[in-house]
Order: sequence, then structure tokens, then C-alpha cells
Amino acid sequence: DGGITQSPKYLFRKEGQNVTLSCEQNLNHDAMYWYRQDPGQGLRLIYYSQIVNDFQKGDIAEGYSVSREKKESFPLTVTSAQKNPTAFYLCASRNSPSPQETQYFGPGTRLLVL
Amino acid sequence: AQSVAQPEDQVNVAEGNPLTVKCTYSVSGNPYLFWYVQYPNRGLQFLLKYITGDNLVKGSYGFEAEFNKSQTSFHLKKPSALVSDSALYFCAVRPSNQAGTALIFGKGTTLSVSS
Repeated sequence: DGGITQSPKYLFRKEGQNVTLSCEQNLNHDAMYWYRQDPGQGLRLIYYSQIVNDFQKGDIAEGYSVSREKKESFPLTVTSAQKNPTAFYLCASRNSPSPQETQYFGPGTRLLVL
Repeated sequence: AQSVAQPEDQVNVAEGNPLTVKCTYSVSGNPYLFWYVQYPNRGLQFLLKYITGDNLVKGSYGFEAEFNKSQTSFHLKKPSALVSDSALYFCAVRPSNQAGTALIFGKGTTLSVSS
């Protein structure tokens, strides 16, 4: 988990509310990723960013939004359009676009709906 | 479609016995293969990866994995299991001809080691 921080550890969302999950890395990595983890479904890609001010949708981007204004930060907003947001959210980063490079993960944020 | 399969949802072994967690993949081109471990309510920890060269890759905590191109497999192994190895294990792949893309993950295998 070292070098990538996610906050908060637990987050509660009310009906119709937008919430933002923080992801910060001090590894000077170019690429950053957001995954959603549900029991028995593995990790599914929400969004990823290879450089500052650029990002692409993953497999399940609907109901989510991101920004990449700084190299070290890649916040994820879960909007009210995401009807089933309860899950464990994992942020990851990678040194470069090279496919050989290892992807490292943060400790995760668990989002629960009130 | 490119994918990773972990055919066993759970693997049970006794402490001291060898363990194997299976992984097969389907990608275009040559694959880069990874294994990660996850403990409850934690992020994923990198164990090992295969890029090229020797088909037997050694990683953290005594784990190793064998790449078999003909069987499109990358099984994780350890000669002697520890109770502390009990966790959720993920296999992942990235095609070598697709720079910048995210990893494709299997659904995970829960390893339970009994004392």
C-alpha cells in the first residue's frame, strides 16, 4: 500500500448525494486507475488516466466522474446516477504506459449507502 | 474477448502442504501476467509477474508461478503453505501490444490454509 493513499477508509452516502473519494500518490507515477470490487466479481475498471488532464472510461464508468488536474491526485466522484454504489473502491498507479510496469494499489475505500 | 479465468473460487490446503492456485488467460499477442494477494479490507499487494524469459517466476513470500504458453496458464504455487497465506488471490493480464491499458483481472480465488 505504500506510496498510494486513499481517503476516507469508510464513506457513507445518502440517497441522491454525490460523494468524492480521494486518491493521492507520491510515487511520481504517470498512470492512475480506479477499480470497483464486488464480492465474487473481481476488480472492474471504472476510469483510468495516463497523463495529467487526460482520462478514459473503463468498463463501468456510468454514474462516476474523475479529474486529473495534478499528477499525484486522481479523485473519483460517485454521482447520484450510480444506483448501486455500495462496493470497495481501489485506486492504483503505474510508473509509465509500458505494459511491463507493475501496477500498485492503495488501501481502498469502502462506500456504503445509508 | 480478452479475459482471465480462475476456475476455483476457493482452495483449501493444510499447513505444510504444497498449494496451487490456477489461472488461465486469453489475450491477443504475448501476455504480461501478474499475481496479487488481498487481505481482508486491504488493497492488493503485488506478488510476482511474468514478462519474458524463464517460465518459472519467483516472487514474494516464497510464492512462484509457472508460465505455460501452450496451455495459456500461469498457476501460482508454493511448496509449503502457511496459515498466514490465507487470503484472496488475483491473477491479472495485460497484452504486451497494448501500452497504457489497465490490467484485466480474474474473479479471485480464496485460499484457506488450515493448521
